[in-house]
Amino acid sequence: EVQLVESGEGLVQPGGSLRLSCAASGFTFSSYEMNWVRQAPGKGLEWVSYISSSGATIYYADSVKGRFTISRDNAKNSLYLQMNSLRAEDTAVYYCARAAAGGGDAFDIWGQGTMVTVSS
Amino acid sequence: QSVLTQPPSASGTPGQRVTISCSGSSSNIGSNTVNWYQQLPGTAPKLLIYRNNQRPSGVPDRFSGSKSGTSASLAISGLQSADEADYYCAAWDDSLNGYVFGTGTKVTVL
Repeated sequence: EVQLVESGEGLVQPGGSLRLSCAASGFTFSSYEMNWVRQAPGKGLEWVSYISSSGATIYYADSVKGRFTISRDNAKNSLYLQMNSLRAEDTAVYYCARAAAGGGDAFDIWGQGTMVTVSS
Repeated sequence: QSVLTQPPSASGTPGQRVTISCSGSSSNIGSNTVNWYQQLPGTAPKLLIYRNNQRPSGVPDRFSGSKSGTSASLAISGLQSADEADYYCAAWDDSLNGYVFGTGTKVTVL
């Protein structure tokens, strides 16, 4: 079964750090581009970051640029999001999402999400 | 801040057709394909339409997408109670060098 499972949920104080992980299974992870998307409580979806299949190309939303770092380990079938200098507005459910092969930029597989709460 | 604008809500009775609009600009919808996602309450989003009008395997043909210029739309025909969800359009934005989602539309079946 094709699956993405996020982990790293937590409560962190403003200014703190947290690392999210996304474990992929059921497909050849190294062949796919990956993304992080977040959703603040009661709000809409917000794209956070993109990484190419090799990791050579990376993009970030302006709202997290300079604070978040996306990375991947194809040998471990894992995607990561290192979040530093966290702010209250970073509180959200974070989803990892696979970009569909041949589907342009469509996200065809999503994880179940992991909650990040930034509060003192 | 979303750069793709959708109506906040849409509704219809069972069996009716509902259409959701998505308005963007030349840097996103105008130059890239549009995807649509369905998010049922308490669940992760699901890809509903990709490349403007293509349905992934398993998505009923009651769902259809179209694009014209800098706007796109999603139509749901034969509305069912199971279609009650939030719907989001999305596209790559060449100016932002990032992916942008619409503001989201909550569909209610009356």
